[in-house]
Formats: sequence, C-alpha cells, structure tokens
Amino acid sequence: SQQGEEDPQALSIQEGENATMNCSYKTSINNLQWYRQNSGRGLVHLILIRSNEREKHSGRLRVTLDTSKKSSSLLITASRAADTASYFCATVRETSGSRLTFGEGTQLTVNP
Amino acid sequence: NAGVTQTPKFQVLKTGQSMTLQCAQDMNHNSMYWYRQDPGMGLRLIYYSASEGTTDKGEVPNGYNVSRLNKREFSLRLESAAPSQTSVYFCASTRGSGGFYNEQFFGPGTRLTVL
Repeated sequence: SQQGEEDPQALSIQEGENATMNCSYKTSINNLQWYRQNSGRGLVHLILIRSNEREKHSGRLRVTLDTSKKSSSLLITASRAADTASYFCATVRETSGSRLTFGEGTQLTVNP
Repeated sequence: NAGVTQTPKFQVLKTGQSMTLQCAQDMNHNSMYWYRQDPGMGLRLIYYSASEGTTDKGEVPNGYNVSRLNKREFSLRLESAAPSQTSVYFCASTRGSGGFYNEQFFGPGTRLTVL
C-alpha cells in the first residue's frame, strides 16, 4: 500500500504562477523526500526534509512538513514550462532504514 | 560518471519467458533498489540490497529474484514472465547502508511488455 497520498492528482497552471502540491502519510517518518519525473524518464531528487524540520528551501522550491498532521507541501514559485513533470513525495519510515515509500504523484502542467 | 545505468531500455516478452534486467552504478553506493511503476502510479519497491552480499524483499517481490553481483551491480530476474509484470522498472542506489538521510539516484528505466 502507498504510504503517501498526493493531491491534487493533476494541476494545470500558467507560467509565472505558483504551484502547490500536498502529500499526506500514515506512519511516523524519519524524513520525507520530493522527486520529479519528466515523461519517460527516471526520478530526480529535489529536496529532503527531516522529521525535526518544519520548512526547507532550495531555489524556487519550498517544502513544509507538519508531523502532527502527517502532511507535507511542495511549493514551486514562478513556475516555468520546464517544470512540467510528475512530482512524487516519498517517505522514509522510522523503522525502514533507507527504503522509500512513494505516493502516487501529482502531474503538473505549466502552460506557456 | 554515468550514475545509474540500466539495460535493456525496452523489452517485449511472451508469457512464460524469462529475462534479467541489469543495473549498475558507478557512485560507490552501498544500497541498491528495484522498483516497478505502473501507469498513473508511484513506484513500488520490489527488492533491495542494503549492502553488498545482502538482499531483502520489498513490497511486491512475488515473481522476481535478485542478485547483488558486486558492489556496482544489482540484477532483477523474471523467471516466468506474466502479463501482470508489464511495467516500467527502475533501479536506484543510495550512498548509505541503513542510513536515514540519503537521497536515491535513479536509472532511466526499462519498459517491459509481457504479451
């Protein structure tokens, strides 16, 4: 079963707008990671946030983590057409070592 | 530095045939993983190898076997392919062995169709 659930499943925005994707999970985690997958390609790691962190930034990306609600959000600011991809959250459970459990992803389309 | 490489890129099998998917990484990573991705879904872990010489089952191991040939290579074998194994297969690796803070690096995937 999938640990993470992303919403929305699909998001379509215009270039320059911000995109927000959410992820919820069920069990206690050690960290949560976000990955991007371009069509027909492998996944690329974007950002990792640990369970004792609340917010993290990397360039145009901002990730928040609320362990009390078991949820995370990924914000992409000033989106570009090149940001069009599927975005997945993945959790490392406290008991799973380095194994990742993926959500089903959000398909983001940024229209030029 | 090629990262994680997978062969083949595409494969079509008939039901009952066998094949081995190959994966290699040149980053001196300890842990390696095999996932499958079905349409519109996230990745599900098939098998993983936390370190050279060890392998463990993931979420969906039935119908598959793996071999950690050495630190660089981790292969996935389908002994008797079934249509339900039609999927895209990804190999990944990570630096740590049991460490909690490591990102995974993914290969480009193998698209497998079983007729």
